[in-house]
Amino acid sequence: TQLLEQSPQFLSIQEGENLTVYCNSSSVFSSLQWYRQEPGEGPVLLVTVVTGGEVKKLKRLTFQFGDARKDSSLHITAAQPGDTGLYLCAGAGKTGANNLFFGTGTRLTVIP
Amino acid sequence: NAGVTQTPKFQVLKTGQSMTLQCAQDMNHEYMSWYRQDPGMGLRLIHYSVGAGITDQGEVPNGYNVSRSTTEDFPLRLLSAAPSQTSVYFCASSYSSLGEAFFGQGTRLTVV
Repeated sequence: TQLLEQSPQFLSIQEGENLTVYCNSSSVFSSLQWYRQEPGEGPVLLVTVVTGGEVKKLKRLTFQFGDARKDSSLHITAAQPGDTGLYLCAGAGKTGANNLFFGTGTRLTVIP
Repeated sequence: NAGVTQTPKFQVLKTGQSMTLQCAQDMNHEYMSWYRQDPGMGLRLIHYSVGAGITDQGEVPNGYNVSRSTTEDFPLRLLSAAPSQTSVYFCASSYSSLGEAFFGQGTRLTVV
């Protein structure tokens, strides 16, 4: 089992604050994806990172893949209530995106 | 577009009963997968398929069977339901090994 651990597990912050979520593993992944899940819905892809050291920006969200392709981080600048949700990282297994190993998740609440 | 459609959305089974969770996608994706999501454990891969006629086991396959007779459909069968199979089940499809995984809305299963 390729275990992915996310921290923190829960995060409650005020609107406008910045935050970082971490995703760590002892395994190397060919790619790593970040998803966001709303209650009662399936996860929705935010980004895929492939190259060690890669940084991707999606508006106020910044994603980084570690140099050794074992860890990743998600940084949100000036959080908004609409950012509230469950954030999941997932590493691709031997056959790629249909064989994903998910982290335990970070539940973010942004208070207006 | 319908995307990935799962039925039923909710199901209650008695211990020992069998049932099939349906999953259909209309995006002509070759890759399809089944995951279960339990509190505090993220999503875990049950079975996956890289194309019609080809299936393989994921991290937690025991107690579940799959088949892939068409590109569109990937049903998950519970052979003899157990309380430990109480979970939310998600089906996903993707167009390539590095592509986005599209998830259905999930089936919430309770085994009593």
